[in-house]
Amino acid sequence: NAGVTQTPKFRILKIGQSMTLQCTQDMNHNYMYWYRQDPGMGLKLIYYSVGAGITDKGEVPNGYNVSRSTTEDFPLRLELAAPSQTSVYFCASGPPGGGGELFFGEGSRLTVL
Amino acid sequence: RKEVEQDPGPFNVPEGATVAFNCTYSNSASQSFFWYRQDCRKEPKLLMSVYSSGNEDGRFTAQLNRASQYISLLIRDSKLSDSATYLCVVRVWNAGNNRKLIWGLGTSLAVNP
Repeated sequence: NAGVTQTPKFRILKIGQSMTLQCTQDMNHNYMYWYRQDPGMGLKLIYYSVGAGITDKGEVPNGYNVSRSTTEDFPLRLELAAPSQTSVYFCASGPPGGGGELFFGEGSRLTVL
Repeated sequence: RKEVEQDPGPFNVPEGATVAFNCTYSNSASQSFFWYRQDCRKEPKLLMSVYSSGNEDGRFTAQLNRASQYISLLIRDSKLSDSATYLCVVRVWNAGNNRKLIWGLGTSLAVNP
């Protein structure tokens, strides 16, 4: 059982470049989330989705976009990368109801130089 | 005041010790509570949910005190493998009548031989 799979695991971007972080889950979860975690800091919610076709902003959405065309996939798009977006990005999924039992991917470490 | 507060530690304890962490929350409308563990440079993983009556899972015991608005995690007979950061998570209703997860910054535990 793969759970939540994120790609790539590591990426270095130049300022102004764009990229997409991929996230897919095979647990048929309605809820999916994107978080970022800076060193020594807590998780900050970027975007979340309660089902296919429905997305909403979290605490720190600026500079990012998401889409949810299927239940399984929830890609995160970074437009015009900035050094402030250097972080570890975690995708997570959860069962219906928005409970706190989340399953996380292994994370994507992004560095913007 | 932060919505969810944890003592960042680090807590340094010898193997076999009992250690307890507290987490305080400010929103009295908080519904559900969870403890996650996060190993260094890894994704968070659900350790246990916290029920009103308290719950135990092996060496781990979680308690909820709604009157004082805190949850606790007790680890008995600490193992080296318990070394990690322990994250407190609270689920609340937000202004839009949606559920929201609030993450603490975590408490770092180092179990020493």
